[in-house]
Amino acid sequence: EIVMTQSPATLSVSPGERATLSCRASQSVSSNLAWYQQKPGQAPRLLIYGASTRATGIPARFSGSGSGTEFTLTISSLQSEDFAVYYCQQYNNWPPVYTFGQGTKLEIK
Amino acid sequence: QLQLQESGPGLVKPSETLSLTCTVSGGSISSSSYYWGWIRQPPGKGLEWIGSIYYSGSTYYNPSLKSRVTISVDTSKNQFSLKLSSVTAADTAVYYCARYDSSGPYYYYMDVWGKGTTVTVSS
Repeated sequence: EIVMTQSPATLSVSPGERATLSCRASQSVSSNLAWYQQKPGQAPRLLIYGASTRATGIPARFSGSGSGTEFTLTISSLQSEDFAVYYCQQYNNWPPVYTFGQGTKLEIK
Repeated sequence: QLQLQESGPGLVKPSETLSLTCTVSGGSISSSSYYWGWIRQPPGKGLEWIGSIYYSGSTYYNPSLKSRVTISVDTSKNQFSLKLSSVTAADTAVYYCARYDSSGPYYYYMDVWGKGTTVTVSS
């Protein structure tokens, strides 16, 4: 099983500042990585797939980068609605065994 | 606009079988472009993939749950279902259904999610 590790567990950032979230895979997942945003009481929402492609309707302030085992989600200028938990997920296996990171909570500083 | 809606009992007794259905609206479950599946989230914890299904009936399951999980599809009703047998308190979670889109053959990510349904395992 591919283990996904996210860091930090909690990130405190002020509105308007940049946030950088990290995700590491225990083995290469190529670019088959997605990022999701989850707000309290809501379902996760797809932000990024293919490591760097924004999903439909996702603002340009969200960007993803990386390949292989190291990935980054950057939010360039934090808005109030961006404070949430973010998960990375790999989808590189076939037959599939999808695995998620444990999440990074982005909180207001 | 595609929507997914989970339904089923909110309370299940230990050792019994959890059964949930996901109804798809605004699109066809028989599309050859997508898989469909289930993910769960225990209270205060992260996300766990349960399994996925193609409209033809091909299924894939998380190895850690495989012995207890069955996912099926009913194309006539535009629904797919989850059964999880021999449940314990550890199966208490919010259960989400989702559509899986692809960025290439064999590479599927979850692009549309249902709102989730809470299932509690307790006597």
